[in-house]
Amino acid sequence: EPEVTQTPSHQVTQMGQEVILRCVPISNHLYFYWYRQILGQKVEFLVSFYNNEISEKSEIFDDQFSVERPDGSNFTLKIRSTKLEDSAMYFCASSEARGQPQHFGDGTRLSIL
Amino acid sequence: QKEVEQNSGPLSVPEGAIASLNCTYSDRGSQSFFWYRQYSGKSPELIMFIYSNGDKEDGRFTAQLNKASQYVSLLIRDSQPSDSATYLCAVISNTDKLIFGTGTRLQVFP
Repeated sequence: EPEVTQTPSHQVTQMGQEVILRCVPISNHLYFYWYRQILGQKVEFLVSFYNNEISEKSEIFDDQFSVERPDGSNFTLKIRSTKLEDSAMYFCASSEARGQPQHFGDGTRLSIL
Repeated sequence: QKEVEQNSGPLSVPEGAIASLNCTYSDRGSQSFFWYRQYSGKSPELIMFIYSNGDKEDGRFTAQLNKASQYVSLLIRDSQPSDSATYLCAVISNTDKLIFGTGTRLQVFP
């Protein structure tokens, strides 16, 4: 069964450093998303992406965050200058169409020191 | 603020019993409803989705939707210890983002 893949599984970074989280969505999916989950809290939406542009972003997704689809398969989330509060699990998801089920990758655990 | 509410649990049921998980949502414009299972330290795994009022069955799982009451539920028949996990209710409104509840922790004991 096709799946969303994310790398790395765990990223440890010093505060203030840039980090790039990578995702390969399911190949025939057109809609891409990033979510995050701080330990013990609910899963929160960050951003949705379609047709090479951001469809919607949350209040969390400030100027320090950016997304990109650099080629036909990868979808990346960049955090420009990480803060301690960015420590969380980051999940990439994809879906075939708007409103359809979103399938999640295994996540990247981001730890900011 | 659009919200999804779930009882955090834990909900404890014996093996073989029916587990009933409930969720309410605040936005009447919500159109799509999902149940995800999340094991500790893992990612959400899609279990069921439902768009129309009524019941939808898939194997041991049944999702139930009542838009008038803004209520969605998940029934798990013949519960197994391997079903022990946190069950996340999620809703899509007029945008395309999933709004998640905090999840209900289910414990199935032998």
